[in-house]
Amino acid sequence: KAGVTQTPRYLIKTRGQQVTLSCSPISGHRSVSWYQQTPGQGLQFLFEYFSETQRNKGNFPGRFSGRQFSNSRSEMNVSTLELGDSALYLCASSWTQGPNTGELFFGEGSRLTVL
Amino acid sequence: AQSVTQLGSHVSVSEGALVLLRCNYSSSVPPYLFWYVQYPNQGLQLLLKYTSAATLVKGINGFEAEFKKSETSFHLTKPSAHMSDAAEYFCAVRESGGYNKLIFGAGTRLAVHP
Repeated sequence: KAGVTQTPRYLIKTRGQQVTLSCSPISGHRSVSWYQQTPGQGLQFLFEYFSETQRNKGNFPGRFSGRQFSNSRSEMNVSTLELGDSALYLCASSWTQGPNTGELFFGEGSRLTVL
Repeated sequence: AQSVTQLGSHVSVSEGALVLLRCNYSSSVPPYLFWYVQYPNQGLQLLLKYTSAATLVKGINGFEAEFKKSETSFHLTKPSAHMSDAAEYFCAVRESGGYNKLIFGAGTRLAVHP
């Protein structure tokens, strides 16, 4: 069974640019969450999507946005990049019913470097 | 608000020694607790989870954790460390009413030396 797939794995951008990251969840998982991981702030929740609707959002500025498609694939976008946006962005998918609800399966992440 | 505190950002043990990684949580409701492991340049992998079924939870790779409500703790242990256990470990609590949102601790980096 294929795991959570994130693309691209690595990317370099310059300040002011925008970036789009993609996440394909495990087949059957309808919930997709995004986390930012940095050495200073650790793992921070960005947002969660379920059935194409954002149902929870963390404390990030509006430059961070996301969406989910009908096949549960998700993208997140960061506009007007800042140096502080350099991080590992992790996507996680999950069942939304049954005994394993809430158990997150993570992808390997997209490492963004902003110069 | 719920929170997780991991005591010790770095832990070093000898191969074959007991591994003990500490996690304390704060929650006003019965918590759902998790331990994840992260190897270099990889995502997080679930080690084990507590969902109120049993206080002693067994996970993968020989790890286990005990939920102690009186101490608000969920420490991770392994009787005998292996070199391959070297990684970063994260304790997390599922936010009450937050759907699948997890609140993570700062992490503990485990080093295993021969």
